[in-house]
Amino acid sequence: GAGVSQSPSNKVTEKGKDVELRCDPISGHTALYWYRQSLGQGLEFLIYFQGNSAPDKSGLPSDRFSAERTGGSVSTLTIQRTQQEDSAVYLCASSLGYRDQVEPQHFGDGTRLSIL
Amino acid sequence: GQQVMQIPQYQHVQEGEDFTTYCNSSTTLSNIQWYKQRPGGHPVFLIQLVKSGEVKKQKRLTFQFGEAKKNSSLHITATQTTDVGTYFCAGPRDYGGSQGNLIFGKGTKLSVKP
Repeated sequence: GAGVSQSPSNKVTEKGKDVELRCDPISGHTALYWYRQSLGQGLEFLIYFQGNSAPDKSGLPSDRFSAERTGGSVSTLTIQRTQQEDSAVYLCASSLGYRDQVEPQHFGDGTRLSIL
Repeated sequence: GQQVMQIPQYQHVQEGEDFTTYCNSSTTLSNIQWYKQRPGGHPVFLIQLVKSGEVKKQKRLTFQFGEAKKNSSLHITATQTTDVGTYFCAGPRDYGGSQGNLIFGKGTKLSVKP
């Protein structure tokens, strides 16, 4: 079946502009995650949505970052007034959340964001 | 706060040599997961371990979960160039909020010289 889909795959924008990144999770997956990965680095957790529960926003680095998930499916990550340090690959993942154990995450191909 | 640490950060091996990466958690984990990220790709789930002392094999890959459920290892026998990538371990994020979140180690980057 279809995997996690992210768009755009690449985004180049000028410093100070706002950007929106989109994630389409696997159908039926109740949990959705956003991560940031700088070149050669690990996965930096940003935000986690689980069903109708309040999202876990504990990883958002500043109030310029926000995310929403509409209808329990598609999610949008918004970065306002972009800075050069925001340049990274933004990865989205989805999973079945938690059943007996924390379920494995399935990642999209990511959006490579470059701030000029 | 909760930490998941991986060593080494980098490992360079000659093709055919063995490779091991270690994962250590500051807290007891109910399960541990391993992921592989190829260069230019995204992380892909490899395996989940749940039981204390559990050992699982996938062809040349052997995964272990420690008896105390605070550490894990991934061993690759006779590495091949197709093993190149970064290997991440991850455990359930431990906090009083919502379940279903993971905390990832920083990964071990493996390079294989043909």
